[in-house]
Parts: sequence; structure tokens; C-alpha cells
Amino acid sequence: GAGVSQTPSNKVTEKGKYVELRCDPISGHTALYWYRQSLGQGPEFLIYFQGTGAADDSGLPNDRFFAVRPEGSVSTLKIQRTERGDSAVYLCASSWDNEQFFGPGTRLTVL
Amino acid sequence: GQNIDQPTEMTATEGAIVQINCTYQTSGFNGLFWYQQHAGEAPTFLSYNVLDGLEEKGRFSSFLSRSKGYSYLLLKELQMKDSASYLCAVRDSNYQLIWGAGTKLIIKP
Repeated sequence: GAGVSQTPSNKVTEKGKYVELRCDPISGHTALYWYRQSLGQGPEFLIYFQGTGAADDSGLPNDRFFAVRPEGSVSTLKIQRTERGDSAVYLCASSWDNEQFFGPGTRLTVL
Repeated sequence: GQNIDQPTEMTATEGAIVQINCTYQTSGFNGLFWYQQHAGEAPTFLSYNVLDGLEEKGRFSSFLSRSKGYSYLLLKELQMKDSASYLCAVRDSNYQLIWGAGTKLIIKP
């Protein structure tokens, strides 16, 4: 079966623009996580979905960041008015039992 | 605050054994995880400990002491492909993973 997929794999945008990052979790996984990771650091938690609802969005850095999962499967992370500091790899993971399965990530570069 | 500490970098020789330590201070504890991450790739699950003791899985073993807030990952019979970053993560009282910065393991022939 397919693993977690993320699109695009790379995204280059200009400061101030809007971006959307997509995550397709493993079929049947109800839990979905978004993280971002900077070079030499561990993943930083952003938001966690259980089904369609955001069970914990405490990691979102500010109100420019928003995520949805309208049908409990695919999720989209939306970043408004991007800033250079938003540049990172954005990782999505879906979870079954105690294991989180990660997608390949989207590398976001804000110029 | 919550804190996960692990060495930044370690070097070992092919065929040898290496132990990567992790200490943690978190609000609550619901399990400790080790993940492997090759450069430019996503983390992949290695092990999970929730009770004290040693969990063995092939060449990799993971140990946990909850009273000491301490874990280690033991890699035996090192291979060149084991060169990667090893991430320690603790699941806190909110069932969220708190991640360490990772230990970059360099294997030399």
C-alpha cells in the first residue's frame, strides 16, 4: 500500500505570498500531524488532527498558519503572507497505534 | 519547560557498537520513541519504550529508565548505511511528541 505522500516536494515563493501544502495520509489512519523541521533540528509540532477536527493546534506559530482536513483524510496546511523565517521542511505524518509514518516532506523556501 | 537532550554528533567504526543517549524532562510521559532520519529524507520509526528495560529488535536495541528520565539506543554491527541522524522523542501528557534535535552518527570504514 501507499505511504504518506506530500505535494509539492519543493516550493519556492516570495515573501508575502500565500502557499498551500498538501498531505495524503495512509488510508484508514485517523490521526494526522503536521511538523516543520529546520536543518539540524528535530521536527517541531504544528497541529494534530483526529478525524476532521484539529485536536491540538497549539504548535501553530501565529495566525498566518492554518490547516484543514475537511473529510478526515487529505489535509492542507495554509500559510499566508509568508516570511523568510517560514523556510523549512514541512513534514506530515499519519499515525496508527504507537507509530507515526512520515511523508517525504515539502521543502519551502521563502525568498 | 520540556527538554530532550542528546549529543549533536557521534562517530563510530563499521562493525563496532555505538550507544546514543537521550535524557528528557517533559510534562508527563506516555512513551519514548527513536527514529532514524537519513539526510534529506523523512524520519522512520525504530523503536518504542513505555516500560523500563531493554527492547531488542535485530541490530538495534533501546533502553528506558523512567525514574532517571533516560534512554539509549544501541546499534550493533554497524554498517555504512547506519550513517544518519537518530532522533529521540517523548510523548507527553497531551500525547504529543516532543523531539530532540537528533544525533548525527558518522560511520567510518
